[in-house]
Amino acid sequence: GQNIDQPTEMTATEGAIVQINCTYQTSGFNGLFWYQQHAGEAPTFLSYNVLDGLEEKGRFSSFLSRSKGYSYLLLKELQMKDSASDLCAVRDGTDSWGKLQFGAGTQVVVTP
Amino acid sequence: EPEVTQTPSHQVTQMGQEVILRCVPISNHLYFYWYRQILGQKVEFLVSFYNNEISEKSEIFDDQFSVERPDGSNFTLKIRSTKLEDSAMYFCASNLGGELFFGEGSRLTVL
Repeated sequence: GQNIDQPTEMTATEGAIVQINCTYQTSGFNGLFWYQQHAGEAPTFLSYNVLDGLEEKGRFSSFLSRSKGYSYLLLKELQMKDSASDLCAVRDGTDSWGKLQFGAGTQVVVTP
Repeated sequence: EPEVTQTPSHQVTQMGQEVILRCVPISNHLYFYWYRQILGQKVEFLVSFYNNEISEKSEIFDDQFSVERPDGSNFTLKIRSTKLEDSAMYFCASNLGGELFFGEGSRLTVL
């Protein structure tokens, strides 16, 4: 079966750094994606890894180790607007365009 | 910036009624998806659609559900006879490859 695990909640202070871990066990693998979802809104794309290593995109970085079934999302210089649910998602098929399976999300709470 | 649009933003219906949720994917995208999110739960895959046919569907997508691309721009999700447990936010998404682009969602409330 498919299993994507991430912590339920993380709290950090404005200006700090937070790292959200995600582990996955899926029948196939064709990329790991991070999305951000504010309450009542659609998920918005943050970052994507298909090969091992670190991808950096402004204040956001994401890391992937395929052999360990592990990824993390790093949010630097936290801002109040980063208070949201960050979703780890895996493309488990063989195509580069197929469906994503989502984890339950990590609620990030940024405090002043 | 091109975006996925969905209508209606909120629909309230009685149990047993048919509901159609509409989506206009990004114009040059080829792959279309429906997801749902029950309040407080995770985003769940329902169905993917490519080249005018379903390419994959989940166990949730039973005979009560159907999808259609009636013209060159719209992509619809029909629920034939709604149940209380169909109450959720329904998201449409599209892509060419890589990441999925999501619409703002249609909130369905079944009474």
